[in-house]
Amino acid sequence: GENVEQHPSTLSVQEGDSAVIKCTYSDSASNYFPWYKQELGKRPQLIIDIRSNVGEKKDQRIAVTLNKTAKHFSLHITETQPEDSAVYFCAPRRDSWGKLQFGAGTQVVVTP
Amino acid sequence: GAGVSQSPSNKVTEKGKDVELRCDPISGHTALYWYRQSLGQGLEFLIYFQGNSAPDKSGLPSDRFSAERTGGSVSTLTIQRTQQEDSAVYLCASSYIVRGVAGALGELFFGEGSRLTVL
Repeated sequence: GENVEQHPSTLSVQEGDSAVIKCTYSDSASNYFPWYKQELGKRPQLIIDIRSNVGEKKDQRIAVTLNKTAKHFSLHITETQPEDSAVYFCAPRRDSWGKLQFGAGTQVVVTP
Repeated sequence: GAGVSQSPSNKVTEKGKDVELRCDPISGHTALYWYRQSLGQGLEFLIYFQGNSAPDKSGLPSDRFSAERTGGSVSTLTIQRTQQEDSAVYLCASSYIVRGVAGALGELFFGEGSRLTVL
């Protein structure tokens, strides 16, 4: 099965600074790479995803970059705001039915 | 409905009792997943359904846990003889098949979860 690791486990940034979270996976057949955000007491929600035929995708202040050779992908948040404070999870997988493993999560705290 | 619905939202039970947690996925979503999240922890995979069948039950913590799905829709997670370590939020998520990409599933849509407390 897929082994998924996220780093760092916690990240504290000043408002306005950038945050980067890295997700490393083991299954070379993985070709779908999403990031989910879970605010305190809320459900996880998809914020951005990428498929393996694309190296980078941006959506306003967030972006995901993929390095398939090295088997890792990263979430980038620019100009961080207090509402970015949450736990972020990656969940790489292949396009087939099967269990979906999430990374352990990264707690991001944005301080004003 | 508009989203994934879970019930009960909150359940307090005594050790040794059985509990049933229900998940009503988004209409038309073929895939359904159950996860467990302990306080401040990550998402622990329990089981997934492809239609009504559950090809992978390897995530169920013990034989006290079981799940079923009927009619390709509603799913029930049952925990028998509950223990204090079963206390957690149980999250259900559903997903759809992406058109044009063989075997591809779309994003997971999560319910609000069922918070289980075993006294």
